[in-house]
Amino acid sequence: GENVGLHLPTLSVQEGDNSIINCAYSNSASDYFIWYKQESGKGPQFIIDIRSNMDKRQGQRVTVLLNKTVKHLSLQIAATQPGDSAVYFCAGFSGGYQKVTFGIGTKLQVIP
Amino acid sequence: NAGVMQNPRHLVRRRGQEARLRCSPMKGHSHVYWYRQLPEEGLKFMVYLQKENIIDESGMPKERFSAEFPKEGPSILRIQQVVRGDSAAYFCASSPLEETQYFGPGTRLLVL
Repeated sequence: GENVGLHLPTLSVQEGDNSIINCAYSNSASDYFIWYKQESGKGPQFIIDIRSNMDKRQGQRVTVLLNKTVKHLSLQIAATQPGDSAVYFCAGFSGGYQKVTFGIGTKLQVIP
Repeated sequence: NAGVMQNPRHLVRRRGQEARLRCSPMKGHSHVYWYRQLPEEGLKFMVYLQKENIIDESGMPKERFSAEFPKEGPSILRIQQVVRGDSAAYFCASSPLEETQYFGPGTRLLVL
């Protein structure tokens, strides 16, 4: 949903551990979701997407889970690496042209 | 996101000057979106354009801001008479149809 200028939540994980980043969405009409990764000073980078007719999708080292009942998305990163340190945003799309609603984001810090 | 080009990457303006931000979408993409991002905040939608048409400008401030996407050339986000509060990172995204948006590296505007 809309961010309200709060400090970014931060998740610190040890290198090699798995990371789970969560996102709640409010628009029940959202039928397509994307996770973006934004490194410092750069634009958001597409990581993985999922449609509402799926509840799980896997990529390389990443898995997205979608729970439509509670309107919740999660991004799981396996064997987290220092290069995974970034802010992660979920984005929901709700039909027609894609006016995107971005979550506030979660900062992932990987401890070497 | 390397395919979406934005320039300049950094722009410094004094209060009252005009800022022009350019975005060249990925090849074959006819949909362009502009977002603003303040430090430690998420991306806020500003405007969605197709070639020669503004589809949704609901996120644009009513005054001083305008956007265009001409038949030829890049999309332009123009901010007239800039104020300090306009300092932010401005990201452009493009998509081929009305789905996955790919982001550019952003323009960081600093108003002195």
